Amino acid sequence: GQQLNQSPQSMFIQEGEDVSMNCTSSSIFNTWLWYKQDPGEGPVLLIALYKAGELTSNGRLTAQFGITRKDSFLNISASIPSDVGIYFCAGPPSNNNDMRFGAGTRLTVKP
Amino acid sequence: NAGVMQNPRHLVRRRGQEARLRCSPMKGHSHVYWYRQLPEEGLKFMVYLQKENIIDESGMPKERFSAEFPKEGPSILRIQQVVRGDSAAYFCASSPLRGGTEAFFGQGTRLTVV
Repeated sequence: GQQLNQSPQSMFIQEGEDVSMNCTSSSIFNTWLWYKQDPGEGPVLLIALYKAGELTSNGRLTAQFGITRKDSFLNISASIPSDVGIYFCAGPPSNNNDMRFGAGTRLTVKP
Repeated sequence: NAGVMQNPRHLVRRRGQEARLRCSPMKGHSHVYWYRQLPEEGLKFMVYLQKENIIDESGMPKERFSAEFPKEGPSILRIQQVVRGDSAAYFCASSPLRGGTEAFFGQGTRLTVV
């Protein structure tokens, strides 16, 4: 249905490495949102994507809205320790006005 | 510009008591979403409200849970006769537009049922 499948579930990387995570759905999405959640805090919006094929950057973060409108990916370049956290993809399916979340990718960065 | 405000941040209730969680959306936002998060898990959709209307409550348990977003005042998530399994972090998000575009989150209410 409107499930968002996010992968990988977790990543353990060395400081300085690049990171890539993605989100797929069987439904078409009009908007893709990427959030980061630090421990004990609410999710914070990182990047919002509104058009198929759109590629948007926010500092070391780059996200793309897939051409099929059923997927999106997030890249983090040159990771640093403060990148640690849980990254969620989210969006409203085109046939629904709710906002659904992926299960999250837990990122650990080793100094 | 104040962000989304949730209170209390932490709430402890005994089994059988009622829990009331409040969410004040950002100024100008008339759409509110509630989510529940268990430790080490993702965000599970509960309910989507617009001022004075429940748009979608498909993620909310049919018993003991209710939500409202009155014309004036914050959105309230109410849990009656709490049980240990209700212990979780509850987050709300607000958006200016239908569809959750650029929804912003509060810091959550951590409910502990003892």
